[in-house]
Amino acid sequence: GAVVSQHPSRVICKSGTSVKIECRSLDFQATTMFWYRQFPKQSLMLMATSNEGSKATYEQGVEKDKFLINHASLTLSTLTVTSAHPEDSSFYICSARGTENSYEQYFGPGTRLTVT
Amino acid sequence: GQNIDQPTEMTATEGAIVQINCTYQTSGFNGLFWYQQHAGEAPTFLSYNVLDGLEEKGRFSSFLSRSKGYSYLLLKELQMKDSASYLCAVMDSNYQLIWGAGTKLIIKP
Repeated sequence: GAVVSQHPSRVICKSGTSVKIECRSLDFQATTMFWYRQFPKQSLMLMATSNEGSKATYEQGVEKDKFLINHASLTLSTLTVTSAHPEDSSFYICSARGTENSYEQYFGPGTRLTVT
Repeated sequence: GQNIDQPTEMTATEGAIVQINCTYQTSGFNGLFWYQQHAGEAPTFLSYNVLDGLEEKGRFSSFLSRSKGYSYLLLKELQMKDSASYLCAVMDSNYQLIWGAGTKLIIKP
């Protein structure tokens, strides 16, 4: 199946700093990428949907100025958590979809962010 | 609003069979997915149903009834490694996945 990578897998940062997470589709072109956040013992929460070359669509309640998403190429999307706070500590997962009407999303392995 | 319901937790015995139910109410329907997620890991794809009926894939089977807004995931010959959370998700008319909260399955020897 298709492979999606995420980097870094774990990151610890200090409060007030920014962190960038990369999501790459390794063997297919991802026209759409999704960013999720998952708190312990809770389900996935969609943060935003990004299409290559256009602005991301954010879900209600997600601050676009705090969670910057860039989808500059068909194989790379980045999520930058700006001015991180301890409450931003979470498991961030990206997924990618190859074509507009493709039903399957391929998930990256996730990034564990801890803000101290 | 859109809603996916599944039990929070289930317990089963190694070697047995377990059925995890999922009911949904969504804006449009473009298929229902089941994913497996082990603690600290990303979800992995198990099955996709878009037509009514049963899809069998090895020890796992998934059933869909669109008229009832209902699906189940059936796991046979349970193994300890099947201990995980099982997520039900429905793709709506905008091709967005609507996620259930997940069912934590505990397998006992």
